[in-house]
Amino acid sequence: AQSVTQLGSHVSVSEGALVLLRCNYSSSVPPYLFWYVQYPNQGLQLLLKYTSAATLVKGINGFEAEFKKSETSFHLTKPSAHMSDAAEYFCAVMALGEGNTPLVFGKGTRLSVIA
Amino acid sequence: EPEVTQTPSHQVTQMGQEVILRCVPISNHLYFYWYRQILGQKVEFLVSFYNNEISEKSEIFDDQFSVERPDGSNFTLKIRSTKLEDSAMYFCASKGVRGGNNQPQHFGDGTRLSIL
Repeated sequence: AQSVTQLGSHVSVSEGALVLLRCNYSSSVPPYLFWYVQYPNQGLQLLLKYTSAATLVKGINGFEAEFKKSETSFHLTKPSAHMSDAAEYFCAVMALGEGNTPLVFGKGTRLSVIA
Repeated sequence: EPEVTQTPSHQVTQMGQEVILRCVPISNHLYFYWYRQILGQKVEFLVSFYNNEISEKSEIFDDQFSVERPDGSNFTLKIRSTKLEDSAMYFCASKGVRGGNNQPQHFGDGTRLSIL
């Protein structure tokens, strides 16, 4: 069974500082990986995805993530945090297979940005 | 950009009552999903739907739950007799078929279900 572990339920950074949100997955074969962001009272918005092409994936709002098979990790980074980045971030994994394969989510990491 | 829309945004229901949550997926998408998020917990998969039938369901999706695509645009989740523990945010998602199976799922803003 697939699973996702997000280290740190809450991360706090200063505005302009590096953002690093950690995600490790468990899967028998390299899966598809996604990062979603959830702003207050809103749904889940796709930030970026890894689908076995380039291991460094660039997403929206200046975020990027690197797939590291040896570490089974897919950490999310942004060089310089902005106040508008404050939100809940979810890492998700999807097994290779049929098109209707569901996503398995991590517990989420709440990012706070301090002025 | 096309969106998944969900109604209502907030539903308050007495325990034991039936509730129907509605979703309008993105128009050319063919895969549909329901997830839920209990307050403070992770987003959990409930059910996937394709070609007018359930493709996969989780342990959460018991006999009290059902899904339907009554017409060409709506996708509904029905809870027959609600329980207190059904209180959660329910998300609908849809996915297209073009570009292969690795296409992302697109989520609606959710319906907050409160059971009293």
